[in-house]
Amino acid sequence: GAVVSQHPSRVICKSGTSVKIECRSLDFQATTMFWYRQFPKQSLMLMATSNEGSKATYEQGVEKDKFLINHASLTLSTLTVTSAHPEDSSFYICSASDQGSSTDTQYFGPGTRLTVL
Amino acid sequence: KQEVTQIPAALSVPEGENLVLNCSFTDSAIYNLQWFRQDPGKGLTSLLLIQSSQREQTSGRLNASLDKSSGRSTLYIAASQPGDSATYLCAVSGNTPLVFGKGTRLSVIA
Repeated sequence: GAVVSQHPSRVICKSGTSVKIECRSLDFQATTMFWYRQFPKQSLMLMATSNEGSKATYEQGVEKDKFLINHASLTLSTLTVTSAHPEDSSFYICSASDQGSSTDTQYFGPGTRLTVL
Repeated sequence: KQEVTQIPAALSVPEGENLVLNCSFTDSAIYNLQWFRQDPGKGLTSLLLIQSSQREQTSGRLNASLDKSSGRSTLYIAASQPGDSATYLCAVSGNTPLVFGKGTRLSVIA
């Protein structure tokens, strides 16, 4: 089946530093990748949608200059949290689709727990 | 704006019981509805996907139903086991990107 990996699984960083999270589709080409954030006991909230080779589309309220998304290839998307602050501490999950629409099946990664001190 | 609500927020049952988790959504113009399982600190595992034209889907001890007109879905778990303990999320796909509920935290007590 379709497998999506994320790296790292956990990261702890100091306030003000930048953190990069990778999302890879291991056995299929991901036309579209999605980045979600999940706070404790809350639902997943879509942050942005990225299509290979084009700029990401950010959801309302998500700062694109703070959460940099790069989808440089059909198997890799990266999310960089710039100048991280404690309020950015959250569980970040990516998903990937081999189709171009958000209505198609998304395969989810295992998530990355970010803690900003 | 699509909103997804899951009831109850938490549920604790003895092993062997059959149980029902509920999901409701405000905009019935959906393409599909999915049920996921999430273990603590982990990603999502897709359990069942129901297309908008379907009424139900079954996988093993799991059965999910969809009533699009009333904006409701249920996930039925038969003969629950301690290994079923997890958070169950429903999500709908429609004119907006996938929208998730907050989930139901299920504990099955041995």
